[in-house]
Amino acid sequence: DTAVSQTPKYLVTQMGNDKSIKCEQNLGHDTMYWYKQDSKKFLKIMFSYNNKELIINETVPNRFSPKSPDKAHLNLHINSLELGDSAVYFCASSQVELNYGYTFGSGTRLTVV
Amino acid sequence: RKEVEQDPGPFNVPEGATVAFNCTYSNSASQSFFWYRQDCRKEPKLLMSVYSSGNEDGRFTAQLNRASQYISLLIRDSKLSDSATYLCVVNIVSGGGADGLTFGKGTHLIIQP
Repeated sequence: DTAVSQTPKYLVTQMGNDKSIKCEQNLGHDTMYWYKQDSKKFLKIMFSYNNKELIINETVPNRFSPKSPDKAHLNLHINSLELGDSAVYFCASSQVELNYGYTFGSGTRLTVV
Repeated sequence: RKEVEQDPGPFNVPEGATVAFNCTYSNSASQSFFWYRQDCRKEPKLLMSVYSSGNEDGRFTAQLNRASQYISLLIRDSKLSDSATYLCVVNIVSGGGADGLTFGKGTHLIIQP
């Protein structure tokens, strides 16, 4: 019954590897997002995506790429992982015109070693 | 200048007391406003939206001052379970796009027995 679910919950991997984090929402929302929360607990948007438009935060390295097979899924693929990528990654969704705020997934704690 | 600024705290408050947080935002085009709550190692969860007329939800009262670009949250009769980080959040909705919420760094609240 989880509204926004992401997997895995924890991910430990070596530098240089490629990894993906999956996200699914069952709320029927039209827009999904990826946020990064770093060690200083600052939440920063990486991408927002609906079926028409991908908006990318210009500070996000191009090693990060969102992939959306359908409206209910927005996966995050990361190439050539670096130590600085260690953080908690949150997926979220919203229905933009309703402006009720976002529903977040429980987060994926990524540790690059 | 940071887009959303909050006092990080921590605020140590005895149980039963009233506590207030403030935040300021820099973008006058901001159109919607929220308070989120984040517990340790959990995802942010929407606490309440903030309206220009001010709004109340049980022990929680939120106020918005657009002229001063200032948002507040008041918690009355604080409970131990109110201990968390409170995130001030603004949304700049541009056309049909979804640029994402902008989060403050949060104010850490500790309710003491």
